[in-house]
Amino acid sequence: DVKVTQSSRYLVKRTGEKVFLECVQDMDHENMFWYRQDPGLGLRLIYFSYDVKMKEKGDIPEGYSVSREKKERFSLILESASTNQTSMYLCASSSSLTPPGELFFGEGSRLTVL
Amino acid sequence: AQRVTQPEKLLSVFKGAPVELKCNYSYSGSPELFWYVQYSRQRLQLLLRHISRESIKGFTADLNKGETSFHLKKPFAQEEDSAMYYCALLPISARQLTFGSGTQLTVLP
Repeated sequence: DVKVTQSSRYLVKRTGEKVFLECVQDMDHENMFWYRQDPGLGLRLIYFSYDVKMKEKGDIPEGYSVSREKKERFSLILESASTNQTSMYLCASSSSLTPPGELFFGEGSRLTVL
Repeated sequence: AQRVTQPEKLLSVFKGAPVELKCNYSYSGSPELFWYVQYSRQRLQLLLRHISRESIKGFTADLNKGETSFHLKKPFAQEEDSAMYYCALLPISARQLTFGSGTQLTVLP
């Protein structure tokens, strides 16, 4: 079974703090994604990566950055957290060798910014 | 740019009744369409994809290119079908999915 692990399930941060959300997958997947999940808005893509040290902006990259130094790890960084970044963050991975579109998701990291 | 629309945020049906979750899309090419499901306290997971034409847990979905729709259907809903359902679109040659806003299905006893 593919396992995508998000290290922090719940975080509470203050406005202006730097926040790191970590995601690790154990199936040697090339592709990794960060989405945020908000009621009524669904899942919106923040950033994704097809390879180590590679990143591409998704639909809502403003206020976020990412890092992929190793194939199995994809980090989401909020340089200066704001209250409108309070959300559920979902990490996902997929393989380029299997039929496209099958994403494996982590359990999510619920971030509250006060 | 592509777009996925799920018009119903909430949908309630009684156990044993038919259920249809609506999904419409806009995209200039021929996309691949998917349904993902998230049960309470579980991870989001793939339910089915249109290209495989399979039935999963009694659910089916037909891609209607003329109406640009991909509605999810089940003839007899069960209480365990209660979950959040997301329709998703994969553009040609892309690896990232575009998701709809989701429909929360509640199957009442």
